[in-house]
Amino acid sequence: GENVEQHPSTLSVQEGDSAVIKCTYSDSASNYFPWYKQELGKRPQLIIDIRSNVGEKKDQRIAVTLNKTAKHFSLHITETQPEDSAVYFCAASRGGGADGLTFGKGTHLIIQP
Amino acid sequence: GAGVSQSPSNKVTEKGKDVELRCDPISGHTALYWYRQSLGQGLEFLIYFQGNSAPDKSGLPSDRFSAERTGGSVSTLTIQRTQQEDSAVYLCASSPVKGRNEQFFGPGTRLTVL
Repeated sequence: GENVEQHPSTLSVQEGDSAVIKCTYSDSASNYFPWYKQELGKRPQLIIDIRSNVGEKKDQRIAVTLNKTAKHFSLHITETQPEDSAVYFCAASRGGGADGLTFGKGTHLIIQP
Repeated sequence: GAGVSQSPSNKVTEKGKDVELRCDPISGHTALYWYRQSLGQGLEFLIYFQGNSAPDKSGLPSDRFSAERTGGSVSTLTIQRTQQEDSAVYLCASSPVKGRNEQFFGPGTRLTVL
């Protein structure tokens, strides 16, 4: 089955700086890669996703890049703000995401004021 | 509109008892997913439904776990003879139609097995 590795487990950056979280996946058939943000005690919320037919997607301060050959994808957050502090999870799935997601173990992002 | 809801929000049970967890998906969502999140861990896929059928049960950790969905809507996850290692937050998610994949999560049920 699919295996998703996520790094780093904790990331501390100064407010205003950029943050990058990286994930690798093992199943070359995976074709849908979402990123979820989970604040303490709350449910995960989708912040951005990418499908295997594109290499990059942006939404304001958030971007995701995908390298299918290397089987890795990354989340980039620019101009970080205190409200970006949370745990971020990457995930992968086949079937365009209609089936279950395999998640990474999460990155605790800390924005230092 | 209303999001995914789950009940109960918290459940404390004794080892060996059976528990039922309920998920109400967003109205009209055909796909429904169950995940488990242990303390400080990522989300572990358990099972998903497309309508009332479950194409993939591969994530269920043991035969003590089962799930059903009736009427293409509400789903229940049942854990029989609970063990302490079953303690976790059980999250449900739903998705609108096959091929449109954003999964909307519910608030979860925190299960504690004493």
